[in-house]
This record gives sequence, C-alpha cells and structure tokens, in this order.
Amino acid sequence: QKEVEQNSGPLSVPEGAIASLNCTYSDRGSQSFFWYRQYSGKSPELIMSIYSNGDKEDGRFTAQLNKASQYVSLLIRDSQPSDSATYLCAVNLMNSGNTPLVFGKGTRLSVIA
Amino acid sequence: NAGVMQNPRHLVRRRGQEARLRCSPMKGHSHVYWYRQLPEEGLKFMVYLQKENIIDESGMPKERFSAEFPKEGPSILRIQQVVRGDSAAYFCASSPAGGFGYTFGSGTRLTVV
Repeated sequence: QKEVEQNSGPLSVPEGAIASLNCTYSDRGSQSFFWYRQYSGKSPELIMSIYSNGDKEDGRFTAQLNKASQYVSLLIRDSQPSDSATYLCAVNLMNSGNTPLVFGKGTRLSVIA
Repeated sequence: NAGVMQNPRHLVRRRGQEARLRCSPMKGHSHVYWYRQLPEEGLKFMVYLQKENIIDESGMPKERFSAEFPKEGPSILRIQQVVRGDSAAYFCASSPAGGFGYTFGSGTRLTVV
C-alpha cells in the first residue's frame, strides 16, 4: 500500500518568513516527487519536481529530497499572502513516467500579512 | 494551447441519475488520469487511460463507475445511479508519453441531491 503523509496544518507563517512543508512516503521504491499548489476551489498546479537526493531551487521555492529517510520537503522563502494555499505532495513509484501519482492529503499554508 | 479541458464545471444530479464527466487532454498528451477529491481530502486516483485502452483502474469503484478514452473525442468518466457519497470534485490530468508530472484540468464539481 503506497502512502504519502503530510501534516494537514494549518501552518501559519508571517509574511517574509520561510515556510517549511514536509512529506514522508512509505514506498522505498519511489523515484519521482512533486509538489502541487491548490488554491481553494481551484485545480492543483505543479510547482516543483525532484528526482535526485539533495536540493533543487526554483525562484523562492526549494525542494529537498532524502530517499534514505523517505522524506521530501518544500521550502518557500520570503512567503507572501498569495502563497496561502494547500500544498500537495505527490509521489511516483516508477522512474518511467506515465504511472499514477499518489498524493498526500495536503498541508494548508496561511501567510499572515 | 488550451490546456486540459473539463466539462461541465458544475454538475447537479438527483440520486439515481447518471453523471457524465468529460476531459480533453492537452494537445500532444496521450495519457489521461482521473482523480476524485472529497472536501478536506487529498486527491484519490481512480483510473489511468491511453487512447482506447484502460491501463490502470485500481482506484475505480467496481460498480457504477466506468471510464473510456476513445480514438476520437474526449475521455469520459461515467457514474451510473449516483448516490450522495459521489458528491466530490473530479479532476482529470494529462501527460505526454514518457512524461513526468501532470497538468490538471479545472475539475468538475458533482453535487448529488
């Protein structure tokens, strides 16, 4: 049974702070990892993908992967009120693409102005 | 590129009626995935299809639910004899062959009254 666990939150951070979102997964064979952002009433939007251990940076976002610990995280620097949303962690077992992603329930982030 | 198109955006059905949800993938994408999202819940995988083939339907309830992706036209998720518990947001996503990560459509919000 493949599972992806996230703290549901809400995680509240002040504007300008770093928001840290965490995700653990049960299947050690998982190869590809994704972070999606979902605003209330809207569809998920892909913001980061990571495939190798270490950090991957894209603007204010940094994804971190530790396969030995089965842990992936998302850091948002200089948090803005517009970052307030639910962040979904998703895991792909195979490294060949085109296999269904398993999603966590999401962490609700609230950035306070 | 119009992105992943889903229609209708909102659908209201009485108990016992049929619901048909449509999804046209992004241009150049040949893989379609259907997910269901209940309030305050994560995305639950239902079915993965390629043109004229169901690749993985492990998340689809055995009764009342069916999906297709014909050679011509959109993918259809069909729910027969709907019950109140079917009320949810249904999201379709697509990816290219060998692709990682999905692009989601705007979803269909089904309400069963």
